[in-house]
Amino acid sequence: GNSVTQMEGPVTLSEEAFLTINCTYTATGYPSLFWYVQYPGEGLQLLLKATKADDKGSNKGFEATYRKETTSFHLEKGSVQVSDSAVYFCAVNTGNQFYFGTGTSLTVIP
Amino acid sequence: EAQVTQNPRYLITVTGKKLTVTCSQNMNHEYMSWYRQDPGLGLRQIYYSMNVEVTDKGDVPEGYKVSRKEKRNFPLILESPSPNQTSLYFCASSRSPDPGEETQYFGPGTRLLVL
Repeated sequence: GNSVTQMEGPVTLSEEAFLTINCTYTATGYPSLFWYVQYPGEGLQLLLKATKADDKGSNKGFEATYRKETTSFHLEKGSVQVSDSAVYFCAVNTGNQFYFGTGTSLTVIP
Repeated sequence: EAQVTQNPRYLITVTGKKLTVTCSQNMNHEYMSWYRQDPGLGLRQIYYSMNVEVTDKGDVPEGYKVSRKEKRNFPLILESPSPNQTSLYFCASSRSPDPGEETQYFGPGTRLLVL
């Protein structure tokens, strides 16, 4: 079946460090891929997305590239800030259904 | 302001007592969906709806019902809640019936405790 495997957390980084959160997926056909962010006490917000192979989604300094050959969609940011502290979810859309990873908690310390 | 609203935000109930969590969006969106979020499991889709009077099961529909009589509303019904339905619930909507093409907007969440 369809599923998303996401890097276990929690992750703690110093401000300005490089961030990578790994995400791999299993899905049939040509899924769309997403990263969502959840700040404490809030619902999820779309961070970025990619709808076909080799597409790069980017937003607020975050990037992820749709790699069909490795079925991956790793999230990266070159220099994290304290305000990036949140839980990050990788998600796959196949047809009308969504599948989410378990979430990775990121804490950035000054 | 464009938004998805859920009510109540917090609810404590007892096993077997029917409850409804309401969800409403003011963006004229076609697609709406319910998720539950549990520690270590992420978000799992319960039900979704591509349009009025069209609903389908997600990954974990057991114990839940939904209806879509109007475009803006998508209530989640627990006919006989059990403790394993204690969770954080999110409603979401997107403009297109193809949610892969459009951003999903999430509500603020409803935290449910079933005793």
